[in-house]
Amino acid sequence: KQEVTQIPAALSVPEGENLVLNCSFTDSAIYNLQWFRQDPGKGLTSLLLIQSSQREQTSGRLNASLDKSSGRSTLYIAASQPGDSATYLCAARGGSQGNLIFGKGTKLSVKP
Amino acid sequence: KAGVTQTPRYLIKTRGQQVTLSCSPISGHRSVSWYQQTPGQGLQFLFEYFSETQRNKGNFPGRFSGRQFSNSRSEMNVSTLELGDSALYLCASSFGGGRTSGRRSNEQFFGPGTRLTVL
Repeated sequence: KQEVTQIPAALSVPEGENLVLNCSFTDSAIYNLQWFRQDPGKGLTSLLLIQSSQREQTSGRLNASLDKSSGRSTLYIAASQPGDSATYLCAARGGSQGNLIFGKGTKLSVKP
Repeated sequence: KAGVTQTPRYLIKTRGQQVTLSCSPISGHRSVSWYQQTPGQGLQFLFEYFSETQRNKGNFPGRFSGRQFSNSRSEMNVSTLELGDSALYLCASSFGGGRTSGRRSNEQFFGPGTRLTVL
């Protein structure tokens, strides 16, 4: 049974810092992995999708990597801004038509 | 292009009642998935509908049910509400995956959610 873990549960950094959020999964036979952002009381915003055959994806200041053999993915945020403050969730999909299994998220706070 | 919409945004019900939540997917998307989010359990998968058929189901009791219409809109129903059903219910839509649908066809896009409070 796939389990997804995100560490740390919360992170506070000063504005401008580069940071890394971690996601680990127990079953390496994933189809893809998706990173989301959730603002308080809101839905999820898709940030990046990495297929199992890919090693990384980039969008603006965000870069996500995937290492299936070690069961890990990282989300790198460059030059963090207060507007980046949110909860970041990663989710693994087991098959092309499978559902997403979510981690519990990392709550990021970027201080001005 | 309009995003995923969910109605209502907020609901207050009492124990024993039943509730129906609605989700309209992004135009062209044929898959709708439902998730329950609580502070203790996080995001948990309820079920997925694709072309009016339930394709996947999570580990929730039979009180939770859903359906999908020919226009891909989906409804979720919870009967005999319990206090523990209080949660944010999120739906997500995608093209639905499959060999002919492209590599990003199962990328999920979420709606704003329905906040259900059971008193």
